[in-house]
Amino acid sequence: KNQVEQSPQSLIILEGKNCTLQCNYTVSPFSNLRWYKQDTGRGPVSLTIMTFSENTKSNGRYTATLDADTKQSSLHITASQLSDSASYICVVSDRGSTLGRLYFGRGTQLTVWP
Amino acid sequence: EADIYQTPRYLVIGTGKKITLECSQTMGHDKMYWYQQDPGMELHLIHYSYGVNSTEKGDLSSESTVSRIRTEHFPLTLESARPSHTSQYLCASSGQGNEKLFFGSGTQLSVL
Repeated sequence: KNQVEQSPQSLIILEGKNCTLQCNYTVSPFSNLRWYKQDTGRGPVSLTIMTFSENTKSNGRYTATLDADTKQSSLHITASQLSDSASYICVVSDRGSTLGRLYFGRGTQLTVWP
Repeated sequence: EADIYQTPRYLVIGTGKKITLECSQTMGHDKMYWYQQDPGMELHLIHYSYGVNSTEKGDLSSESTVSRIRTEHFPLTLESARPSHTSQYLCASSGQGNEKLFFGSGTQLSVL
């Protein structure tokens, strides 16, 4: 069964600290993996997209890694800010159709305290 | 910044009412999607469209319908709302060969 599991479910950190969010997937065949940030009451916003051949991609203070062999990804946030408080969603796409079916994780709820 | 808009942002209605959730994008994207999201849960695809006059049902069984008469417009209609339809509805679009999804801000629907 194709699934995307994220951990932890929630995380609280102090402003300025770093953190790492995890994503494990069982989706096959694999096309790409995306990380989205979703602020409360808003739609998700894309942070990174990685294909099979990419093992790291950065977007400002966000760095995503991908290990396609172990089917694991992580999102590292450096020097956290209050505005980083949001849900971070891992999404995996397969190659099973022209549409590229998307499998969504439930997200990690990150809270940054001052 | 994504140019995809949803209205209304919030909607509270009574059971049995007919409603239409609006979604428009100004990016000329062919592909458009409707997702349903409950708090703390993953997004579920309820409808999608490859282009004008093309609509398909997604993975989640839904009593809603959609239409795609114009490229930029992808409204979702509930003929008779029920409390079980209470949820957040997110519209998204993506361009030709572009994997990136752009989401609207969502419509939070509450059916009493």
